[in-house]
Amino acid sequence: AQTVTQSQPEMSVQEAETVTLSCTYDTSESDYYLFWYKQPPSRQMILVIRQEAYKQQNATENRFSVNFQKAAKSFSLKISDSQLGDAAMYFCAYRRYSGAGSYQLTFGKGTKLSVIP
Amino acid sequence: DAGITQSPRHKVTETGTPVTLRCHQTENHRYMYWYRQDPGHGLRLIHYSYGVKDTDKGEVSDGYSVSRSKTEDFLLTLESATSSQTSVYFCAIRRQVNTDTQYFGPGTRLTVL
Repeated sequence: AQTVTQSQPEMSVQEAETVTLSCTYDTSESDYYLFWYKQPPSRQMILVIRQEAYKQQNATENRFSVNFQKAAKSFSLKISDSQLGDAAMYFCAYRRYSGAGSYQLTFGKGTKLSVIP
Repeated sequence: DAGITQSPRHKVTETGTPVTLRCHQTENHRYMYWYRQDPGHGLRLIHYSYGVKDTDKGEVSDGYSVSRSKTEDFLLTLESATSSQTSVYFCAIRRQVNTDTQYFGPGTRLTVL
């Protein structure tokens, strides 16, 4: 079974600094997708970034980038120039094929990020 | 905004009563999902649908049933609610074009007393 582990329940970062959130996963598949979702206090789940396993290049979205290490099964999220609005729960998720053309997401337990002014 | 609404947004009910949560989408996506979110567990898949009348179980399906009679609506039913089903419930759709990624609704907070 696929599992996703986020080993940091809570983290904090100074405004304008850089922070890295960790995620590891377990899989026997060679082709899969990985995601980071952000959940602010509003509770809305917001897609931050996604990575296709077959792509060597790390995904980037503005201030957000990932360090994808396929052999190590590691998928960390780096947030540069942290802003107060980045304060949220961050969830790592693994997408696997579940049959009938459908895919399922398995989520980690989340990392709560605080941004200090 | 993925064009997903959930109703109700908040509900308080008593143990043993039936409860139905509704997820409505406006973009005609084939795949829809129901998750629950609990402290210390992240999001866990309850059921999903891959078309009208086509549904399957997820990781935590016991005590829940679903129905999808129209593309735009995916209903989650708790036949007899229990306190362990107190949770926040999220619906999601899967956008296949370009991104093939799941997008989530705003969530429903359900409290079972």
